[in-house]
Order: sequence, then structure tokens, then C-alpha cells
Amino acid sequence: DIQMTQSPSSLSASVGDRVTITCRASQSISNYLNWYQQKPGKAPKLLIFAASSLQSGVPSRFSGSGSGTDFTLTISSLQPEDFATYYCQQSYSTLLTFGGGTKVEIK
Amino acid sequence: QVQLQESGPGLVKPSETLSLNCAVSGYSISSGYYWGWIRQPPGKGLEWIGSFYHSGNTYYNPSLKSRVTISVDTSKNQFSLKLTSVTAADTAVYYCARQVRTGSYGPYFFDYWGHGTLVTVSS
Repeated sequence: DIQMTQSPSSLSASVGDRVTITCRASQSISNYLNWYQQKPGKAPKLLIFAASSLQSGVPSRFSGSGSGTDFTLTISSLQPEDFATYYCQQSYSTLLTFGGGTKVEIK
Repeated sequence: QVQLQESGPGLVKPSETLSLNCAVSGYSISSGYYWGWIRQPPGKGLEWIGSFYHSGNTYYNPSLKSRVTISVDTSKNQFSLKLTSVTAADTAVYYCARQVRTGSYGPYFFDYWGHGTLVTVSS
């Protein structure tokens, strides 16, 4: 199995802050990495696919980067609606796996 | 607009079979793409259960493979999940989702999700 490790598991930030979340794969996965946002009681929402491609309709303050084993999701200026949990997911292996999640809370 | 809606019992007894349906609207399952099931235990992360392709190819999470069956009813444009011999560890919100890729070799990702349905395993 390809293990996906996210850090931090949680963070506190203020509106307007730049936020960076890291996802590390246990082996190289090229750019087969996606990011999702999940709010309480809601289904996950796709933000970024193929490591750096912004899903249609997602604000440009979200960006993704990385390749191989190390990836980042960046929110350039945190907005009130961005407080949520973020998950990475790899599809390099046919066994699809998610990271453990990063909860972004209000400072 | 593609929409998915899960349905099924919210309570299942231990050792019994969990059965859920996912009704799809706005897109014909038989037109293409993979379709999958993902679950999330209360307060925990996401776990992929399995996916199928419209032509019949199906693949499952090895940790659940012996207990899982995903099938499709193209006449109703819906697909289903069966999980046998359930225990309390199978208590979770179950999501169905469309699984797509860009191009022939790009990464797969889930672009449309159902709202999810909570299934509790308890006697």
C-alpha cells in the first residue's frame, strides 16, 4: 500500500493568512495526487487534481505543487469559508489511499 | 449537472449484510468513467472501498475485498454496494462518487460525490 502522511494534522490560522499543508507519499507517485476540502457534515469537494491543476470553480487562492513523494496545498489568503479539513489522495496505485487529513481552524 | 444520491438502511445488525444504492442523474453510467464507494467512520478519515468501470471491470480495497461486491444496474442508472459480515468497525458515512481522469494516463480523482449516508452497525 502507498501510505499518505499529511502534516500538520491540525493548524490554527487567521483570516488573510497564507496556509501550507504538506502531504508525503511512502513511494514516488509522480503527479498522481489530488486534494479535497471537507466541511462538517458534507461530502469532500475536489480542489486540485494531478498535483497542481485547479478544479473548475475553485478559487485561485488555492494552489498545489509537488511531484514524486512531496506535495503541498497552499491557500494564499485564508477566507472564512476555508475553515475545513483537507485531504490528499493518491491514485498512482490501484489501491486508492487518502491522507489522514489536516483540520484548519480559526485562531 | 451530475448528481449522486445514496440510499439504504441506516442501521444494520452485526454479522448481517450492508446494502446501499447510489442513484446517478445528469450522466449515464454506461457512457463511461469509473464509479466508486468511499467511507468515513465518525470523526475519522476517508477510506476507499472499491470502484467499477461501466463495462464491468471492478476493483476493490484488498482489506475489504473478501466482503465487498459492487454491482451496476444500467437500466436504472444506479450502482450498489454490498458488504457482508459487518461489525461495529463498519459504522461509517458511506459516499458514492464518480471517478474520472484527464486524458488516457492521468491521475484518477473523484469529481462528483453524493451527500453520504450514515450506516450504524449495532444490535
